Amino acid sequence: SQQGEEDPQALSIQEGENATMNCSYKTSINNLQWYRQNSGRGLVHLILIRSNEREKHSGRLRVTLDTSKKSSSLLITASRAADTASYFCATFYNQGGKLIFGQGTELSVKP
Amino acid sequence: GAGVSQSPRYKVAKRGQDVALRCDPISGHVSLFWYQQALGQGPEFLTYFQNEAQLDKSGLPSDRFFAERPEGSVSTLKIQRTQQEDSAVYLCASSLVLAGGVKFFGPGTRLTVL
Repeated sequence: SQQGEEDPQALSIQEGENATMNCSYKTSINNLQWYRQNSGRGLVHLILIRSNEREKHSGRLRVTLDTSKKSSSLLITASRAADTASYFCATFYNQGGKLIFGQGTELSVKP
Repeated sequence: GAGVSQSPRYKVAKRGQDVALRCDPISGHVSLFWYQQALGQGPEFLTYFQNEAQLDKSGLPSDRFFAERPEGSVSTLKIQRTQQEDSAVYLCASSLVLAGGVKFFGPGTRLTVL
């Protein structure tokens, strides 16, 4: 079973706009990670945020984590057509090796 | 490159056949994971190895699924008597040390059971 729920399921924007994706989870976590998956390819790690962190940046990516609300958001600024992909949040809560993925948000960036 | 590789990339099996999927992790990575991804869904955890020890196999859907990593590097996921519901992409990932750390995923094996 999957712990994370992502919102929206699909998002379509124009190049240059910002994209925000949200992730909610159910149990306490050790860390939360965001991954990107291009069509027909494997998952690529984007960013990891620990449970004691509130915000993290990497290039055009900004991730926030609110452990009181059990939610996270991924912001992609100044989007590009190459950002078109599915984005997944994944939670790790220190039980075995499980990284539990959400259902994903399908982002389409139109040129 | 030095990424995670998987073979075959595509596999078509008749219902009832046995299949074996191979994963070559990044050299030196201690942890190895198998995930199953159905179309339009997020990956679902199957099993986890630390070196050759299988520490968690709670995600394996039935006793038809078996994974091994005998020498702590290459891993094989075997599915016996395949069923149509086994059709999915099987993803392998490795990480350097910690189970909760960054994972490097392979391209996956797309299994279609007819």
